[in-house]
Amino acid sequence: KAGVTQTPRYLIKTRGQQVTLSCSPISGHRSVSWYQQTPGQGLQFLFEYFSETQRNKGNFPGRFSGRQFSNSRSEMNVSTLELGDSALYLCASSPWTGNTEAFFGQGTRLTVV
Amino acid sequence: KQEVTQIPAALSVPEGENLVLNCSFTDSAIYNLQWFRQDPGKGLTSLLLIQSSQREQTSGRLNASLDKSSGRSTLYIAASQPGDSATYLCALANAGGTSYGKLTFGQGTILTVHP
Repeated sequence: KAGVTQTPRYLIKTRGQQVTLSCSPISGHRSVSWYQQTPGQGLQFLFEYFSETQRNKGNFPGRFSGRQFSNSRSEMNVSTLELGDSALYLCASSPWTGNTEAFFGQGTRLTVV
Repeated sequence: KQEVTQIPAALSVPEGENLVLNCSFTDSAIYNLQWFRQDPGKGLTSLLLIQSSQREQTSGRLNASLDKSSGRSTLYIAASQPGDSATYLCALANAGGTSYGKLTFGQGTILTVHP
């Protein structure tokens, strides 16, 4: 069974640009959540999607958004990039919504210059 | 608000030692607790999941325990090997409300096992 796939693995963007990251969950999993990992703040929850609906959202500005498609694949978008958005963005897949076991992808390393 | 603390922040041991990593949390109304491993620059690998109703879980050389009353979990690694070198993270899922679908992570323990 294939794991969680995140694309791209690495990105370099300029301040002010916008970026879209993609996550394909494990086959059959319907919940996707996103996390930001930085050296200073550690892992922080961004949002969770289930059945194309955002079920919960972390404490991030509105520049961070996401969506989920009918095949459970998810994308997150960051607009008007700031230097502080440089981080490893991790996607997690779970069989169902709520607090079931989470399986993580390899992450997308975003560098904002 | 759930707060998760992992002690020690870093640990360096010789190969073969048995070791214990600690995770404490402030809100005992948890749904489950997961231990993860993270290699540098990589994603998280799930090691063990303990449901709220369980006291411990075992997988190979790993054993994780959960004591909700004291707000603690420990990860025991037996006969450590250099390949165990990584950052170990504990993460908690609280029940319902604003915690729905969210994991709260500790800052991790950086483990180095030297030959």
